[in-house]
Amino acid sequence: GQQLNQNPQSMFIQEGEDVSMNCTSSSIFNTWLWYKQDPGEGPVLLIALYKAGELTSNGRLTAQFGITRKDSFLNISASIPSDVGIYFCAGPSFEGTASKLTFGTGTRLQVTL
Amino acid sequence: DAMVIQNPRYQVTQFGKPVTLSCSQTLNHNVMYWYQQKSSQAPKLLFHYYDKDFNNEADTPDNFQSRRPNTSFCFLDIRSPGLGDAAMYLCATSSGLFETQYFGPGTRLLVL
Repeated sequence: GQQLNQNPQSMFIQEGEDVSMNCTSSSIFNTWLWYKQDPGEGPVLLIALYKAGELTSNGRLTAQFGITRKDSFLNISASIPSDVGIYFCAGPSFEGTASKLTFGTGTRLQVTL
Repeated sequence: DAMVIQNPRYQVTQFGKPVTLSCSQTLNHNVMYWYQQKSSQAPKLLFHYYDKDFNNEADTPDNFQSRRPNTSFCFLDIRSPGLGDAAMYLCATSSGLFETQYFGPGTRLLVL
């Protein structure tokens, strides 16, 4: 089956630093999604990417859809304490009547003051 | 605001005692999903409904059942919870093919 590997698994950074994380796949995806999950909450969609090479921003977040369609990158600029959480990439596959998400392994972000 | 709502947020049940988790949505989406998420892991899809059509994942235990009485509501029934079923249960919706999934806040289940 499809697998999505995220790197790094965890990060400890200081407030104000920039963050970079990536997601790689063994197969091609036509859409990449980035979710953030706060402790005890459901995942919240941050950015959706629909085209190879696409670069999309959402505030301090920027994500890119890799040219090969097998990877994606998420950058967070000038991190703040509320950026703490687990970041998941996800790639949908379309089977029958619905999209089924394959989730990455997650990157846990800790921000210190 | 349109949203996905899950109740309760926290549920404690006893080993073997049936439990039902609830999800409702105001998005009028066709598709509703149930995921199980264990600590520090990615969500794992249990099943989904497209309108009234139920689609079970091959590795979802028979202990897990679901009902969707109308567009807005979907229920997850765990017939005989075991200790290994303690997890966060997430409901998500999408408007169908090619559309993004939106998640509810989750219900954390504890089995004693």
